Amino acid sequence: DVKVTQSSRYLVKRTGEKVFLECVQDMDHENMFWYRQDPGLGLRLIYFSYDVKMKEKGDIPEGYSVSREKKERFSLILESASTNQTSMYLCASSSPGRNTEAFFGQGTRLTVV
Amino acid sequence: GENVEQHPSTLSVQEGDSAVIKCTYSDSASNYFPWYKQELGKGPQLIIDIRSNVGEKKDQRIAVTLNKTAKHFSLHITETQPEDSAVYFCAASTSDNNDMRFGAGTRLTVKP
Repeated sequence: DVKVTQSSRYLVKRTGEKVFLECVQDMDHENMFWYRQDPGLGLRLIYFSYDVKMKEKGDIPEGYSVSREKKERFSLILESASTNQTSMYLCASSSPGRNTEAFFGQGTRLTVV
Repeated sequence: GENVEQHPSTLSVQEGDSAVIKCTYSDSASNYFPWYKQELGKGPQLIIDIRSNVGEKKDQRIAVTLNKTAKHFSLHITETQPEDSAVYFCAASTSDNNDMRFGAGTRLTVKP
């Protein structure tokens, strides 16, 4: 059974803290993605990666960075958390090639206080 | 870049009725259109997808239609059941890159 695992379901962090959200997939997928989900806005793409050490900005990269040192792991980093980054964060992965199904993790609900 | 709009944002139907969710997209190069279902506390899961070389696809009670000329596609659920209650997302992507853009979502409620 395919699996995308996000390290935390719930996180509470203070403003200004550096925050790491971790995502691991066990499907040997080349592609990995980070989305942010907010009510009324759907899923907005933050960053994606097609290969190890490769990253591309999505639609809302400001305030975020990513790291992909190993194929199975894709990390989202909030360098200095702010209250407007309170949200649900979803990681996804997909197989090589084009137009293929994305598999999602369960999400991390981050609250910045 | 691609922009996907989805309507309605909420939809309430009686069990057994049909439900229709509509999406439009902006990039004429988009050629892959999946639909995802998100149940409470879970990540989205693919329920059906369609590629631009076909106009309609059906899987039991779920069907998707695509009109490339008008740049819109729709999800149709027939004989709805309470377990169909969830948030549904449409998405679109091109073959040049695999980054997918999603609509804002539709919260479907099926009343018993």
